[in-house]
Amino acid sequence: EVQLVESGGGLVKPGGSLRLSCAASEFTLSNAWMSWVRQAPGKGLEWVGRIKTKTNGGTTDYAAPVKGRFTISRDDSKNTLYLEMNSLKTEDTAVYYCTAQNPPNGYSFDCWGQGTLVTVSS
Amino acid sequence: DFVMTQSPDSLAVSLGERATIHCKSSQSVLYSSTNENYLAWYQQKPGQPPKLLIYWASTRESGVPDRFSGSGSGTDFTLTISSLQAEDVAVYYCQQYYSTPYTFGQGTKLEIK
Repeated sequence: EVQLVESGGGLVKPGGSLRLSCAASEFTLSNAWMSWVRQAPGKGLEWVGRIKTKTNGGTTDYAAPVKGRFTISRDDSKNTLYLEMNSLKTEDTAVYYCTAQNPPNGYSFDCWGQGTLVTVSS
Repeated sequence: DFVMTQSPDSLAVSLGERATIHCKSSQSVLYSSTNENYLAWYQQKPGQPPKLLIYWASTRESGVPDRFSGSGSGTDFTLTISSLQAEDVAVYYCQQYYSTPYTFGQGTKLEIK
């Protein structure tokens, strides 16, 4: 069964940093574009950013609220995706999901992890 | 940016009845070179991650019951559940993946009447 497992969430003070990881199993990460999506408590879904496959240039795009503070990277040899978060703000508090975008499904978000909670609070 | 607007915000339907959720995009999500609409529907149950139901506006993801169907093109889309089951209680989101920033609708909460 395809699985994405996020880790690295926790409590951090405003202005702090955190790195999230997303490990894939039964799934070859290198074949998929990968996105991070977050969900603040009791709120809807918000796309955070995406990284394309190396074949497609490995380029990244970010949502405006996180651009310049967050960085997505991938280590295909470890089948792992990362989200480096700096200069964290209270409004970054959310469950962070990693998602896979596979070509056969038109790059829709066809696989999701269980999520990891990031709480930014003093 | 594409703004996705769903209606209604919440919906209560009797078991076995039809449920219909609408999604309107501020711009067309129809990609002319492929003639595909880059519009997806997701279901999120409490305490769980979202699950892909429909992509390309009307293609059911593998394993999704056929009571779920998607329709529409360009800027106006509909998710229909033909005969509501108890396990369909959830929040439903539409999403455009035509271009970044990918954007979601605000969600529609579906309950049993």
